[in-house]
Amino acid sequence: GIQVEQSPPDLILQEGANSTLRCNFSDSVNNLQWFHQNPWGQLINLFYIPSGTKQNGRLSATTVATERYSLLYISSSQTTDSGVYFCAADSGNTPLVFGKGTRLSVIA
Amino acid sequence: NAGVTQTPKFQVLKTGQSMTLQCAQDMNHEYMSWYRQDPGMGLRLIHYSVGAGITDQGEVPNGYNVSRSTTEDFPLRLLSAAPSQTSVYFCASSYWAGTDTQYFGPGTRLTVL
Repeated sequence: GIQVEQSPPDLILQEGANSTLRCNFSDSVNNLQWFHQNPWGQLINLFYIPSGTKQNGRLSATTVATERYSLLYISSSQTTDSGVYFCAADSGNTPLVFGKGTRLSVIA
Repeated sequence: NAGVTQTPKFQVLKTGQSMTLQCAQDMNHEYMSWYRQDPGMGLRLIHYSVGAGITDQGEVPNGYNVSRSTTEDFPLRLLSAAPSQTSVYFCASSYWAGTDTQYFGPGTRLTVL
């Protein structure tokens, strides 16, 4: 099945800084999603982005399907951005496979 | 819409006990799934269902049973709990399996002593 790898595993930022999180996948994808797990454990869908670029406020994501990677950009980070960011993908009408996540800590 | 709901939020079991984790969604989603989350492991798929009456195994199905008698409900049964099943369990749903946004429930934190 498809393999999903995320980097970096951990990231510490000063409030106001920008960051880029990366997701590599081993096969062509029909589905790629980014999730944020807040410090209370809730998983929130950020983007459904099998290809192209999307933006939502300070967050944006780009997937280059031909090169098998996706990037999540966080601009002007805030302490509320802290948590774990997961990338998940599948290569057909199959269940999502998750990466191990990037743990982000934003310090005031 | 309540979205995806899970009960209970917390549970402590003794080794060998059985229990059912409940999951329900009110969005008329066909696809539902169960994941477990362990430290450093991300989320791993246990079982999934593409519609009422249809279930299939994921990456880590051993020790768990599921059934899907209605579109709304997708319970996860632990037959004989083991300490290795201590984890946080998440239920998720979407309209379709492969090309749609997944919505997650709040999770159930299970400890097996």
